[in-house]
Amino acid sequence: GAVVSQHPSWVICKSGTSVKIECRSLDFQATTMFWYRQFPKQSLMLMATSNEGSKATYEQGVEKDKFLINHASLTLSTLTVTSAHPEDSSFYICSARRSGSYNEQFFGPGTRLTVL
Amino acid sequence: GQQLNQSPQSMFIQEGEDVSMNCTSSSIFNTWLWYKQEPGEGPVLLIALYKAGELTSNGRLTAQFGITRKDSFLNISASIPSDVGIYFCAGSNYGGSQGNLIFGKGTKLSVKP
Repeated sequence: GAVVSQHPSWVICKSGTSVKIECRSLDFQATTMFWYRQFPKQSLMLMATSNEGSKATYEQGVEKDKFLINHASLTLSTLTVTSAHPEDSSFYICSARRSGSYNEQFFGPGTRLTVL
Repeated sequence: GQQLNQSPQSMFIQEGEDVSMNCTSSSIFNTWLWYKQEPGEGPVLLIALYKAGELTSNGRLTAQFGITRKDSFLNISASIPSDVGIYFCAGSNYGGSQGNLIFGKGTKLSVKP
């Protein structure tokens, strides 16, 4: 149990285009999902917290208009990187916290974004 | 804000050796989690700790939640090549800040067969 999937696993796009990444909890309901980005050889940095049915909470320094988050159901959250630029290239990882659990977060396999 | 210091940063060990890594915090947590991440993958939860003083095992892995609630350690016994990866500690306070995890910088483990 507690499987989280992400799609796509990797994406290459041109500068200025938008990219949508999906995060799904496959066998449990997740009231809260989290989006992280990770640069090479670094730890995970929280970008935003996504609660089902409400607006996401963004960490300081993360542009909410650039990184659009939608959490429309208890099993799906999406992150859209709008007008992507090369500096947005990174490894994006989502996690889901099982409804009713303490603080166990289960992570997706990540999405490698490369912006040309 | 809260910060986690994780050490060591990296370890090179021989297969069969035991491994120990730890995390310390500038303030208390009520949850400590240990994750393992392999290249190109997301972190996988190894052990979750919820009570100060708690000692929990998962196969060859053992982790403890420090009495002060400001530290935790992870031990791996009789290491094998597939233990290679980056191990992250993470702390959280349930009910505060929506339960966000604060991550350590990771310990990169290399195991020589």
